[in-house]
Amino acid sequence: DSGVTQTPKHLITATGQRVTLRCSPRSGDLSVYWYQQSLDQGLQFLIQYYNGEERAKGNILERFSAQQFPDLHSELNLSSLELGDSALYFCASSVEGLADSYEQYFGPGTRLTVT
Amino acid sequence: AQSVAQPEDQVNVAEGNPLTVKCTYSVSGNPYLFWYVQYPNRGLQFLLKYITGDNLVKGSYGFEAEFNKSQTSFHLKKPSALVSDSALYFCAVRDIYNTDKLIFGTGTRLQVFP
Repeated sequence: DSGVTQTPKHLITATGQRVTLRCSPRSGDLSVYWYQQSLDQGLQFLIQYYNGEERAKGNILERFSAQQFPDLHSELNLSSLELGDSALYFCASSVEGLADSYEQYFGPGTRLTVT
Repeated sequence: AQSVAQPEDQVNVAEGNPLTVKCTYSVSGNPYLFWYVQYPNRGLQFLLKYITGDNLVKGSYGFEAEFNKSQTSFHLKKPSALVSDSALYFCAVRDIYNTDKLIFGTGTRLQVFP
């Protein structure tokens, strides 16, 4: 158990809908990252938050947005869903500022199926 | 641009035999390299990392990795494979130009046969 939690585990929804994925980082971790894993694109970085502020953006669509709250949990919002958005979405967290602590710890993921 | 490559989609090995899962990297400056494992319907589990120091890095579950600067490689190894090691393995590099973002390889499926 990595200490990173994600809800829900599975999500099935229709095209055009909007969903929210939730992530709670490990205790003490200030950074949260979102990744998308799909068969054709592999593991792709979406976005990073650090202590409530957006820090880096990757291949994140404009239909997608995220935020990190004062208690450090994060939410990834996906709107106007398309069939191609079906994927496994991972959240990861890490400690920053400590030497040699560069690894990220991943949650179990949310499997999104768009029908 | 920083990248890693995993040249093998699948590696098959008999239980008890040594295993190697290959990874090569392309980075500017010193590489921060990682190995993760993904079991079916599970998240990625951190195995080990190379930041600096000894070229042979030891990690979880008996895995180790050898950093080779001249060959720009970071191969994952285990002296004696177990059937339970069967999983998807990812090599990753920290993107130093984009904070802590990890750039992953395409993954290698390890199949250990009894």
